[in-house]
Amino acid sequence: GNSVTQMEGPVTLSEEAFLTINCTYTATGYPSLFWYVQYPGEGLQLLLKATKADDKGSNKGFEATYRKETTSFHLEKGSVQVSDSAVYFCALSLFSGSARQLTFGSGTQLTVLP
Amino acid sequence: KAGVTQTPRYLIKTRGQQVTLSCSPISGHRSVSWYQQTPGQGLQFLFEYFSETQRNKGNFPGRFSGRQFSNSRSEMNVSTLELGDSALYLCASAAGSHDNEQFFGPGTRLTVL
Repeated sequence: GNSVTQMEGPVTLSEEAFLTINCTYTATGYPSLFWYVQYPGEGLQLLLKATKADDKGSNKGFEATYRKETTSFHLEKGSVQVSDSAVYFCALSLFSGSARQLTFGSGTQLTVLP
Repeated sequence: KAGVTQTPRYLIKTRGQQVTLSCSPISGHRSVSWYQQTPGQGLQFLFEYFSETQRNKGNFPGRFSGRQFSNSRSEMNVSTLELGDSALYLCASAAGSHDNEQFFGPGTRLTVL
């Protein structure tokens, strides 16, 4: 079946530090890949996405590149801010026939200290 | 354009009761999916509806059911509630039948006592 493995948290960084959250996946077929962010008490917000190999998704200073050879989609940001503190989820989406399947990783809690 | 809305936002029930949660997708979106989020199990897929038809179902017992109306609004029902059903229930909508991007609502926090 399909699965997503994310770097275990929690991750604590100082403001302006470099962030990497690792994500690897297993899928039958060619999935689309996503990073979602969840702030306390809220639902999930789409952060960025990539739909095919070598695509780079980017948003708000975050980036991730779809690497088919390593089945990875690592999230990076060059300089984190306190406001980036949240839980980050890596996810893949595939269609099996007409059925959509969105599979999430376990989430990584990020805390950024001033 | 308004986002995905879910009602109620918070709900407290006791074991054995049943509950109905509601989701209104983004205007024009025809696909609605439901997910359960718990600290132990993370985010798990419940089911997806498109044009009033269930297209996919996750690995949950029959106590969990749902439906979608002609205006794309969706409800999910959980009967005979158990303590383990306490969770954040998230609804997500997508525009078309094969659009990969889903937009999530704020969720309904269900507590079962």
